[in-house]
Amino acid sequence: DIQMTQSPSSLSASVGDRVTITCQASQDISNYLNWYQQKPGKAPKLLIYDASNLETGVPSRFSGSGSGTDFTFTISSLQPEDIATYYCQQYDNLPRTFGQGTKVEIK
Amino acid sequence: QVQLQESGPGLVKPSETLSLTCTVSGGSISSYYWSWIRQPAGKGLEWIGRIYTSGSTNYNPSLKSRVTMSVDTSKNQFSLKLSSVTAADTAVYYCARDLVRITMISLEDAFDIWGQGTMVTVSS
Repeated sequence: DIQMTQSPSSLSASVGDRVTITCQASQDISNYLNWYQQKPGKAPKLLIYDASNLETGVPSRFSGSGSGTDFTFTISSLQPEDIATYYCQQYDNLPRTFGQGTKVEIK
Repeated sequence: QVQLQESGPGLVKPSETLSLTCTVSGGSISSYYWSWIRQPAGKGLEWIGRIYTSGSTNYNPSLKSRVTMSVDTSKNQFSLKLSSVTAADTAVYYCARDLVRITMISLEDAFDIWGQGTMVTVSS
């Protein structure tokens, strides 16, 4: 299985801050990576697909980049409604695997 | 718009079989992959497997010996059976559409629509 490692596991930032989460794959996955947002008690929501493509309806403050083994997810200006846990997920190989999640809180 | 809804028992006894159904509304189940994903309380997401509407399946090797998925296109439903459950199978179970798009220059594959999730507890 491809292991996905996210960092940090949690972070605290102020409203308006730029927030960056990294995701590292245990092998080259090209750009076959998605990012999801999960708010407490809710199902995950797709934000970014194919490493850098914004899902329809998702605010433009969210972005993704990277290829190969190293990927980055960015919130350009943190908003109170962005409080959630964020997961990366690879689709290069079966089984599909997720990172362990990054919990984002407001300072 | 397409919506998914999981249904099934919330409590299953150890060694028995967990059975869940996902009903697709607002669109056709045909010509898509459909996945099951679970999440133990306070933990991360684990992909269980997927089924195409032809009936073709892919399972997570960690669960393969205990998982069976099926699809009923006439009812717009797909189902999960997980046998010989233990407390370690206690989790929120989600169904999700696995949208695969292949173009000349790219492959996209993402869980773009999710059910709300259903909590399944394994306990006697």
